[in-house]
Amino acid sequence: GENVGLHLPTLSVQEGDNSIINCAYSNSASDYFIWYKQESGKGPQFIIDIRSNMDKRQGQRVTVLLNKTVKHLSLQIAATQPGDSAVYFCAENKGSGYSTLTFGKGTMLLVSP
Amino acid sequence: DAGVIQSPRHEVTEMGQEVTLRCKPISGHNSLFWYRQTMMRGLELLIYFNNNVPIDDSGMPEDRFSAKMPNASFSTLKIQPSEPRDSAVYFCASSLTRRQETQYFGPGTRLLVL
Repeated sequence: GENVGLHLPTLSVQEGDNSIINCAYSNSASDYFIWYKQESGKGPQFIIDIRSNMDKRQGQRVTVLLNKTVKHLSLQIAATQPGDSAVYFCAENKGSGYSTLTFGKGTMLLVSP
Repeated sequence: DAGVIQSPRHEVTEMGQEVTLRCKPISGHNSLFWYRQTMMRGLELLIYFNNNVPIDDSGMPEDRFSAKMPNASFSTLKIQPSEPRDSAVYFCASSLTRRQETQYFGPGTRLLVL
């Protein structure tokens, strides 16, 4: 697929394990962050978001953690399933006004049964 | 909810030909984005519209690329003339709010220029 390449970090886990995908963002003024999941041949799919006034947000089987001190974002997936195999992107909104989302390079998650 | 709709899903054309990609955003969304995704560059924003008005087209590669949004439910991205280096997956996304927050992506158009 489009996202397989030498430059894409890969995380391989066993089914049932917990997965942690990390992202370093660039702008200390960014105030909104999103995680997307992209399966092969499909468009990015929204997973979870978090605003800069929060440190943690939980969804169904997913948790996003935000550490503004070191500009780090992580996505935790509990009890990873084969269907979680995809490329995961973090994106940041660099402030107010007509700002846009800036996407990271992505991390490929491979889940083995 | 039909989501963002893009057509065609696949396009194969020859160098020099005109290519038109189409997008229907989610009803009620007032911001629309065109992205290009390649292995080398990842996901790049080309242009975005707010209330049918182009706000930022700084990501458009060159004059061969143009985008329009004649109404709230339709947008086109045109490449004329196309070149092999334009081969990529082109995504359209839409969002509800003025600020570019949660964007919902379409399935993409896979373009191959021979």
